[in-house]
Order: sequence, then C-alpha cells, then structure tokens
Amino acid sequence: GESVGLHLPTLSVQEGDNSIINCAYSNSASDYFIWYKQESGKGPQFIIDIRSNMDKRQGQRVTVLLNKTVKHLSLQIAATQPGDSAVYFCAENRANDYKLSFGAGTTVTVRA
Amino acid sequence: EAGVAQSPRYKIIEKRQSVAFWCNPISGHATLYWYQQILGQGPKLLIQFQNNGVVDDSQLPKDRFSAERLKGVDSTLKIQPAKLEDSAVYLCASSFDREKQYFGPGTRLTVT
Repeated sequence: GESVGLHLPTLSVQEGDNSIINCAYSNSASDYFIWYKQESGKGPQFIIDIRSNMDKRQGQRVTVLLNKTVKHLSLQIAATQPGDSAVYFCAENRANDYKLSFGAGTTVTVRA
Repeated sequence: EAGVAQSPRYKIIEKRQSVAFWCNPISGHATLYWYQQILGQGPKLLIQFQNNGVVDDSQLPKDRFSAERLKGVDSTLKIQPAKLEDSAVYLCASSFDREKQYFGPGTRLTVT
C-alpha cells in the first residue's frame, strides 16, 4: 500500500552516541520527504527535509539519507542529547500533491 | 515569526456533545491542514484548505465532522455529535508551499 513506515517503534541511545532512525516508504511517486520531532504535549516540529533528487542533506547535528533504490530514508543525530528524547516521524509527499503521509513514529529515549 | 496558534489546548466532553477547535495559521500561509493524531500513531490528514477552498476532505467523517476557513485565514473544526473514538489530539498545520508544514501545539480532546 501507499504508506510510510518506520522500522523500529523505539530506540534507546546513550547520551553522546549517534542515533540512527530508519524509515521505509512504498510510494515510488514520492519526491519529497520530511522528518519531524514531536515532544510530549507538543505538535510536530520540523527537523530536516530532502527532495528525491538528493541522496544526502545535512543540518545542525542531523543528517538525512535517502536511498531511492530500496525506498529507504534515515535520520542520523550526532552526539545525541537528553533534549533529543521525543517521537520522530518521517513523512512523504507525492509530486504535485500537498498531502503529507506520516508513518507511526519512533520513540527515542536518551540514557544519561 | 509567530507560529500556528490553536485553542483550546484541552477539552473534555461527553459522547454525543459537540465541540469546536480554532486555528490561526502563520501569516501568509495559503494552505491550512487539520490532522487527527490518535495516541501512538502518526498524524492523519482530515482536511486541507487552499485559501478558503477545500482541496481534500476525503478522510473527514462528514456525518459528524465539519470545517471551515473564513476569509482564507482562521479555521474551525467542529465535531457533532462526538463519539468515544474521537478522543485524540487535533493538530492544525499551515504551509506556504506544498512542502514544509508547520504545526500548532494541538488540542487534546477526551470524549467520555
């Protein structure tokens, strides 16, 4: 079906380590992907996005990788901090469509 | 820049009652979205407006949900009558183009 999903519902990481959150998508017509962070009691917050004509994009402490061959994208967080504890969602957007389709999310817990 | 505003933040009602949520998008954003987020899931699009016209309401339960966006700015989402399964967080988002969507803090609805 046309959906975006995440490989693991939870991820526990030691403070200071790097985190990798994975996401698989099935719609080959998707040309734009976005990662959101959602803290408890708040709305999703934009982290980083990537278009399908790119393989990699870097932000502040975050990197998104896109592998169109296997329809997979990942979010890497460098030097994970306690403030990174949240639920992370990937979402896809099809060409010429304003609608974002969200996956179920990965809950990241940072251990001190 | 002011973000997306929503009110109320919390609402508790009994089943069969009615409820309304309000959203004020980021200034200049033509596209406005309402999402429903059930606990443990990603946001699900209910309705999308472009200015004051409906672009997509295919996922809106029209027998009980209604939404309007007057003058292409603020929007209200109404549920009448509410059911137990409507308990969720209702998120409003806005965007300038078809890509990056900015979310408000959401309204947590509990139907008892």
